[in-house]
Amino acid sequence: AQTVTQSQPEMSVQEAETVTLSCTYDTSESNYYLFWYKQPPSRQMILVIRQEAYKQQNATENRFSVNFQKAAKSFSLKISDSQLGDTAMYFCAFNLPGTYKYIFGTGTRLKVLA
Amino acid sequence: ETGVTQTPRHLVMGMTNKKSLKCEQHLGHNAMYWYKQSAKKPLELMFVYNFKEQTENNSVPSRFSPECPNSSHLFLHLHTLQPEDSALYLCASSQPGTALGKLFFGSGTQLSVL
Repeated sequence: AQTVTQSQPEMSVQEAETVTLSCTYDTSESNYYLFWYKQPPSRQMILVIRQEAYKQQNATENRFSVNFQKAAKSFSLKISDSQLGDTAMYFCAFNLPGTYKYIFGTGTRLKVLA
Repeated sequence: ETGVTQTPRHLVMGMTNKKSLKCEQHLGHNAMYWYKQSAKKPLELMFVYNFKEQTENNSVPSRFSPECPNSSHLFLHLHTLQPEDSALYLCASSQPGTALGKLFFGSGTQLSVL
């Protein structure tokens, strides 16, 4: 069975600084998707970034990038130039392609300080 | 706006009440999901429908009754709930095999059971 672990319940970062959120997962599959979702106080879960396991290149989306270490089963999210609007819960998630099975971590609450 | 709309945003109900949550997606997806989000717990998958057929029922108590009349609409009928059922209920949709595994969420219904 797949599991996703986020070991940092809460983090804070100063505006304009860089922060890294950790995620580890466990699976015996070789092909899968990994995601980071953001849930601001409005509660809308928004996809931040996505990584395909068979791609070695780390995904990037503007200020958001990942460090995907397949052998270590690690998938961390780096937020550069943090903005107040980045304050939210961040969830790491795992999916097997073509299936309905999405496994989520318990989330990291990030607060960006002015 | 993710293309998934949930109503109502907030719901307070007594344990003897009957109410329904509604979800509508405008993305042309075939799969729709109900998730339960409780504080400090990972998202719990409740039900999955694909092409109106239920494909997952994650041992959810019978006081929760899903209905999927078509691929665009999903309901969750609630009756004789317990206080521990208070949570954020999230609807999501996806297109397995396409859209790169992305799951699209609504804004959720915050349910309080008194």
